[in-house]
Amino acid sequence: QITLKESGPTLVKPTQTLTLTCTFSGFSLSTSGVGVGWIRQPPGKALEWLALIYWNDDKRYSPSLKSRLTITKDTSKNQVVLTMTNMDPVDTATYYCARTLDTAMDNYGMDVWGQGTTVTVSS
Amino acid sequence: DIQMTQSPSSLSASVGDRVTITCRASQGISNYLAWFQQKPGKAPKSLIYAASSLQSGVPSKFSGSGSGTDFTLTISSLQPEDFATYYCQQYNSYPLAFGQGTKVEIK
Repeated sequence: QITLKESGPTLVKPTQTLTLTCTFSGFSLSTSGVGVGWIRQPPGKALEWLALIYWNDDKRYSPSLKSRLTITKDTSKNQVVLTMTNMDPVDTATYYCARTLDTAMDNYGMDVWGQGTTVTVSS
Repeated sequence: DIQMTQSPSSLSASVGDRVTITCRASQGISNYLAWFQQKPGKAPKSLIYAASSLQSGVPSKFSGSGSGTDFTLTISSLQPEDFATYYCQQYNSYPLAFGQGTKVEIK
């Protein structure tokens, strides 16, 4: 069974740095074709893709947030960490991590998601 | 960047209705198109990948079609558990992009 779970602070102050951890099981981030991405959703709004890291350490970022984001992986711990600097109230959202799978057979996209973690930015 | 536009933004339908949602990409994305279902307070669930392939465990009442720039998601016979918001997403190129969502409500 594949599971992902997000963890991190529920409340951060403006200008602070947010650190979120995605802990997963049922797959390995050292397997070819596997990636883990982060997506967020402000209250009542649509989904927004943030960042993605692949098994080979290839990293991709949303251009609009690239200067503020860093994504890393710890394969031994089955974790992916996202940091976002200079937090602002507009960054208030539910943050999700999701597995991506691209095999020789097919590209399954973001096939399994975590439950999400809600982050509020307020002083 | 590729923009994804869904229509309609919302719709009202009855149990048993056939429902179709459209997604248009601002440029060609081949078949790198996914559909997600999201219920209130829950994480999105992947329904379809590669425009028309069902994820494991997804019932066959869901179907997807299209290639290039125009795509559709069809629910053949709407059931109470299908009332939700549906999102399309392109994964042909970076940055990855979602549509704005289509909310399916009970008539």
